[in-house]
Amino acid sequence: GAGVSQSPSNKVTEKGKDVELRCDPISGHTALYWYRQRLGQGLEFLIYFQGNSAPDKSGLPSDRFSAERTGESVSTLTIQRTQQEDSAVYLCASSVQLTPLHFGNGTRLTVT
Amino acid sequence: KNQVEQSPQSLIILEGKNCTLQCNYTVSPFSNLRWYKQDTGRGPVSLTIMTFSENTKSNGRYTATLDADTKQSSLHITASQLSDSASYICVVSLTGGGNKLTFGTGTQLKVEL
Repeated sequence: GAGVSQSPSNKVTEKGKDVELRCDPISGHTALYWYRQRLGQGLEFLIYFQGNSAPDKSGLPSDRFSAERTGESVSTLTIQRTQQEDSAVYLCASSVQLTPLHFGNGTRLTVT
Repeated sequence: KNQVEQSPQSLIILEGKNCTLQCNYTVSPFSNLRWYKQDTGRGPVSLTIMTFSENTKSNGRYTATLDADTKQSSLHITASQLSDSASYICVVSLTGGGNKLTFGTGTQLKVEL
């Protein structure tokens, strides 16, 4: 029962490869978010899951990005055919209604 | 366009001194404003959350203020410590909840001996 857990913590991949990032939210948290944080920049919304509702995918930058969530538990963010501009920290957060977000420590993705 | 602007971009202070970070927003309709602290290599951690009707909220040595009329917020840190060195992020939420959050780019604070 600790906080939000993300894995791996670091990932180095070659351009063109696919990567899969994992997020384990806090148990009981119905909402789950993915954000991207480029160096020195603010958090950029990617996708939002709330319970069994259809996810809000409006922040996904291209069709190379996709995410899934199993019920109210684990989520995976997949980036296909990675590009160098995908290099960033990918943060996952979870919450229950009207409470602050609880963030994981992120996955630092480096595309070479 | 909904925006959150923070100032200064970076700040260096001596241990024990106070400092104030600023956040101006144009987000509407406003629901609440949050301040987060992000240590290097870690995810952001919530410090305070204020709704429209709240003017001030404290969390230990951190005090946040909100002026909903001028759409300004500040985060005051008292008697700074080395461990306060971090990025402080202002986040404004639209009514309707969910994913309707707008993040500032943060103020990078460094506390030195």
